[in-house]
Amino acid sequence: GAVVSQHPSWVICKSGTSVKIECRSLDFQATTMFWYRQFPKQSLMLMATSNEGSKATYEQGVEKDKFLINHASLTLSTLTVTSAHPEDSSFYICSAYGDSSYNEQFFGPGTRLTVL
Amino acid sequence: DAKTTQPPSMDCAEGRAANLPCNHSTISGNEYVYWYRQIHSQGPQYIIHGLKNNETNEMASLIITEDRKSSTLILPHATLRDTAVYYCIVGPNNAGNMLTFGGGTRLMVKP
Repeated sequence: GAVVSQHPSWVICKSGTSVKIECRSLDFQATTMFWYRQFPKQSLMLMATSNEGSKATYEQGVEKDKFLINHASLTLSTLTVTSAHPEDSSFYICSAYGDSSYNEQFFGPGTRLTVL
Repeated sequence: DAKTTQPPSMDCAEGRAANLPCNHSTISGNEYVYWYRQIHSQGPQYIIHGLKNNETNEMASLIITEDRKSSTLILPHATLRDTAVYYCIVGPNNAGNMLTFGGGTRLMVKP
């Protein structure tokens, strides 16, 4: 199957700073990428859907000005958590889908964000 | 999208078959059943999907009832590495659509 990477795998930052998380499709072109958030012992919650070259579509309750998503190329999407606060501490996971022979979404390994 | 109901947890002995049930009584005619699993602190991993026929691959088998209101994921010979949360999801046969994750079943494979 195809490979999706995320960077960094974990990050610790101070409250009020911004953190950028990268999601890359390594061996296919991802026309659509999804960003999820997962709190401890809970399921994945979709935050937003991004299509290459267009603005992301955010789920209800997700602040688009706080969680900036950029999908500038077919292999890279970024999620920037602006002015992070301790309640933003979570496991952030991306997934990617491309028009290829793979009719499935491929998930990245996740990024654990801890805001102090 | 149709909702799914899964037991919150199950145990299975190593080497035995693990049978994970899922109810999706409101599934519509063009919706597929997908199974993913998530090992602790990792991203979800695709297992299998199907519409109405039973499906099998190198990881698992998927048995869908004739009325399509429920399904069972079968891991034929569970190993300790199969310990994970298993998610049953229904959705269109276009993996480019969003996936709605429910609570899943936490499978614990014991020696």
